[in-house]
Order: sequence, then structure tokens, then C-alpha cells
Amino acid sequence: DSGVTQTPKHLITATGQRVTLRCSPRSGDLSVYWYQQSLDQGLQFLIQYYNGEERAKGNILERFSAQQFPDLHSELNLSSLELGDSALYFCASSSRGLAGGQGNEQFFGPGSRLTVL
Amino acid sequence: QKEVEQDPGPLSVPEGAIVSLNCTYSNSAFQYFMWYRQYSRKGPELLMYTYSSGNKEDGRFTAQVDKSSKYISLFIRDSQPSDSATYLCAISNSGGYQKVTFGTGTKLQVIP
Repeated sequence: DSGVTQTPKHLITATGQRVTLRCSPRSGDLSVYWYQQSLDQGLQFLIQYYNGEERAKGNILERFSAQQFPDLHSELNLSSLELGDSALYFCASSSRGLAGGQGNEQFFGPGSRLTVL
Repeated sequence: QKEVEQDPGPLSVPEGAIVSLNCTYSNSAFQYFMWYRQYSRKGPELLMYTYSSGNKEDGRFTAQVDKSSKYISLFIRDSQPSDSATYLCAISNSGGYQKVTFGTGTKLQVIP
């Protein structure tokens, strides 16, 4: 158990809908990352937050948004869902969110599986 | 060209074999290298983390980095059926906030 929790585990919804995925980082970790994993694309970095502020952005669609709250939990909002958004969404956390160095390793949650029909 | 290239496999070996998993990367700015293990439908689990050229050993696992060739490897000695999983290499920038780029993963099956 990494200490990172994610809800829901599974979600089935229809095209055009909006969903929210939730992540709680490990105790003491200030940085949260979101990733999308699909069969043909592998694990893709979406966005990073550190202590409530956005710090790095990857291949995140404009239909997707995220935020990190004062209690450090984070939410990923996916809107106008398309069939291609079906994937596993992972959250990871690290202590400081800085590149390199001991203590900056990322620890992953169990993921949220999204199916768009 | 992808920033990180990894042979997707699948790789099938008999129990007890030595397994070699490899990745190449294109950007010499990458300075930190990781290997993750991912069991089916689970979150990736960090196995090894290194930042220098050379070898780093942890039990049956050895991570090797060759920065001059932009090549990283993970060796698994005395492989076990429980090692059957997908192995992801991951590479991070140096400096500033961390951005990790993952390989697509190599699926390994260890046959008893």
C-alpha cells in the first residue's frame, strides 16, 4: 500500500458527461501528479500540483482540469467525455515535487478506471 | 522520436532466469532514472531510483545507467513467477519541478 488513495475505483459514464476523480496524497506529501494510462499510449503525465498551485503541465486536454485543495487532496475534472477518454487515471504524490534528489520519488495510487460508453 | 523508448515485449522466461529490461532516451538533460513495476490493473510501484551512471543493486534487482549511450537497464536475477508484471522505465528532468516521462512498459512473464 503506497499510502495514496483514489476514488472512485471504477466509473462508467456516457459520452458528453462530466466526472470528477479524487486523490488523497501520502501523509506529508505536498505534491500531486495526475497520469492517464491507456493501452495504446502508455502512462501519460497530465499535470502536477504543489501545495495548492499548478507547477507543471503535460499533455492535458482543455476539457480536463484539476486542482489541489488546502488539505492537499486533489481532484481531476473530465468534461465533455469522449470514447477515447476511457483509461486508467492515476494519481501520484511526492514530498516536494522537485526534480531529482532523494525523497522526491513518486508514489502511485491504485487508479480510477473510467469507461465512457 | 519519443523521449523514452522501451521494448513492449512480451518477454517470457523460465523461473530462475536472469532478465534484462532496457530503455533508451533521447534527451541528455534527463538526470534521474527510475524503474516501476506494475501488476495488472494496479498502480505502478517504485523499484529503483538512481541518478548516476553505473550500477545500483537492491536484492535481486540491479539498475544500470549509461548516460553516454542514453541507455538504462534493469536486471532481475533468479526471476520468480511473482516477478510477472509490466516494468516501466521512467526518466526525470533535473532542476525545477519534477516532470517524469515513462516508457510504454515491458510485459514480463516468468514461467514456473
